[in-house]
Amino acid sequence: NAGVTQTPKFQVLKTGQSMTLQCAQDMNHEYMSWYRQDPGMGLRLIHYSVGAGITDQGEVPNGYNVSRSTTEDFPLRLLSAAPSQTSVYFCASGTRETQYFGPGTRLLVL
Amino acid sequence: DAKTTQPPSMDCAEGRAANLPCNHSTISGNEYVYWYRQIHSQGPQYIIHGLKNNETNEMASLIITEDRKSSTLILPHATLRDTAVYYCIVRGLTSNTGKLIFGQGTTLQVKP
Repeated sequence: NAGVTQTPKFQVLKTGQSMTLQCAQDMNHEYMSWYRQDPGMGLRLIHYSVGAGITDQGEVPNGYNVSRSTTEDFPLRLLSAAPSQTSVYFCASGTRETQYFGPGTRLLVL
Repeated sequence: DAKTTQPPSMDCAEGRAANLPCNHSTISGNEYVYWYRQIHSQGPQYIIHGLKNNETNEMASLIITEDRKSSTLILPHATLRDTAVYYCIVRGLTSNTGKLIFGQGTTLQVKP
């Protein structure tokens, strides 16, 4: 199995543009989540999901939307990108006990 | 979830054991100790977790003190590829949402 996959790997946006960061897992995990990591800082939770159709906010949800229509996919949407959203984004999936992270998406908002 | 305290950085000689400490004095009885690491530019990698007994897997050993207020992650024979930021995380599973709260971690530098 491929584990947790994220696309794209890199993205450059202009302020105000929208985009969707994709995350998929093939391990039938219930739990999925999105984190962002800024230089010199630890990971901060954006949104998470405990199953298809169920999502909730994390520490820094503003400016981001999520949905979970299937077990496998958990896309993160930026409706109107801002320079403050320049970051590295990590998706994770797992069980109630353990989370596994994807390789990350590096986003630059100009 | 309980807060953890880790030293900001540590060095270790290649081939020697790396012992990474973590204090979690406010841990409650149903909270587990987790360790993750993040190698430069990669996603965090799960290492090990435990409740109160010592745990060992193919990557590392986790030693938790009897009062559970501190723990040590042991990499028995550190290699250059073990250079990373190591995160100690305490969380419960009773109302689990799968989320992890990351602190600043310990930057381990393995030197030849």
